[in-house]
Amino acid sequence: AQKITQTQPGMFVQEKEAVTLDCTYDTSDQSYGLFWYKQPSSGEMIFLIYQGSYDEQNATEGRYSLNFQKARKSANLVISASQLGDSAMYFCAMSAGGADGLTFGKGTHLIIQP
Amino acid sequence: SQTIHQWPATLVQPVGSPLSLECTVEGTSNPNLYWYRQAAGRGLQLLFYSVGIGQISSEVPQNLSASRPQDRQFILSSKKLLLSDSGFYLCAWSILGTRGAMSSPLHFGNGTRLTVT
Repeated sequence: AQKITQTQPGMFVQEKEAVTLDCTYDTSDQSYGLFWYKQPSSGEMIFLIYQGSYDEQNATEGRYSLNFQKARKSANLVISASQLGDSAMYFCAMSAGGADGLTFGKGTHLIIQP
Repeated sequence: SQTIHQWPATLVQPVGSPLSLECTVEGTSNPNLYWYRQAAGRGLQLLFYSVGIGQISSEVPQNLSASRPQDRQFILSSKKLLLSDSGFYLCAWSILGTRGAMSSPLHFGNGTRLTVT
């Protein structure tokens, strides 16, 4: 069974600062994928970034990067130069390759302050 | 490009009434389809998924059922709603990525906020 742990229920960050959202995972699978989603107050789930377990380089997508430490089983999301529009819930998720979708963590509520 | 439509956006239903939430996907063929539920302030719980027409897998025993009458249509139903069925219901689709299902993100609809009174 897979498990995702997000230990930060909420975070307050000053605008323009970098943000690191923590995510640790537990799985016995050798191959898996890690994902981050953003959920604004409107409720939609927005896919941000993906990291494969065999990828040697950390994934990056614009201001988002994923700090993947396989030995520690962590996949932290880093947002550079935070903006007010980054305020949202952020979910870490993983897949082991089955058709049964993604396993999600409980999320981190990020608030960017001006 | 692919789009997913989910309706209604909000719904208030009395206990014991039936439920039908519909989700359709455009711009792709034979997608995997999913229903998730999110309780207030919580993560997402997988309810059902489908890999093809008429093929439904249930993840959690509950008062709900799902059907896939067409390739790109996924329906969530209940015959009699319970108070505990209240929540935010999200439909999602995926297709196999270059490295199989483990590289396939889910693409979500805008969700239905269900309140059972």
